[in-house]
Amino acid sequence: EVQLVETGGGLIQPGGSLRLSCAASGFTVSSNYMSWVRQAPGKGLEWVSVIHSGGSTYYADSVKGRFTFSRDKSKNTLYLQMNSLRVEDTAVYYCASLAADYWGQGTLVTVSS
Amino acid sequence: QAVVTQEPSLTVSPGGTVTLTCGSSTGTVTGGHYPYWFQQKPGQAPRTLIYDTSNKPSWTPARFSGSLLGGKAALTLSGAQPEDEADYYCLLSYTGARPVFGGGTKLTVL
Repeated sequence: EVQLVETGGGLIQPGGSLRLSCAASGFTVSSNYMSWVRQAPGKGLEWVSVIHSGGSTYYADSVKGRFTFSRDKSKNTLYLQMNSLRVEDTAVYYCASLAADYWGQGTLVTVSS
Repeated sequence: QAVVTQEPSLTVSPGGTVTLTCGSSTGTVTGGHYPYWFQQKPGQAPRTLIYDTSNKPSWTPARFSGSLLGGKAALTLSGAQPEDEADYYCLLSYTGARPVFGGGTKLTVL
């Protein structure tokens, strides 16, 4: 059974940092294009970042330079390092393999003073 | 950045047919935009319904189909069921740019 489990969300002050983790089981993350997608409360979906199977990463303009997407093949885990967080980064963050329809349950990040 | 447009809301009768569309501010949507469609029900994570215009993950019911129609990506639901009431989002990819989600369509089955 395929599972993606995100952890690491929480309440953080503006300007702070958080690292989200996405632990996968039942498939190999490094063999797939893996994405982070977020959803602000009551709003639509927003694409955040992707890591290709070859390791290349791409970011939405809204997070470029502040977020870093990485993976640990030995742990079959993805990470999203989020620095210089802003109020507008408040959202549920999902990791996913979009084409394979593998989605985590999401983790809530709240940026507030 | 491109703007991807969807109908904010649509209503379909049980057993009826409805088509949701996904347009791009840059012009005609083609297969090169690799259109995706996602379904999201309240309180749940999204699910991928269609990828690369018309391909389906194994869970997607046969009543859903994806296509290109009139310069847009389209999601057609034929034989709507009450459980199809949900928000639907499209995603378009752009060469040299980042993928962009549409604003979503709230589909009511009534």
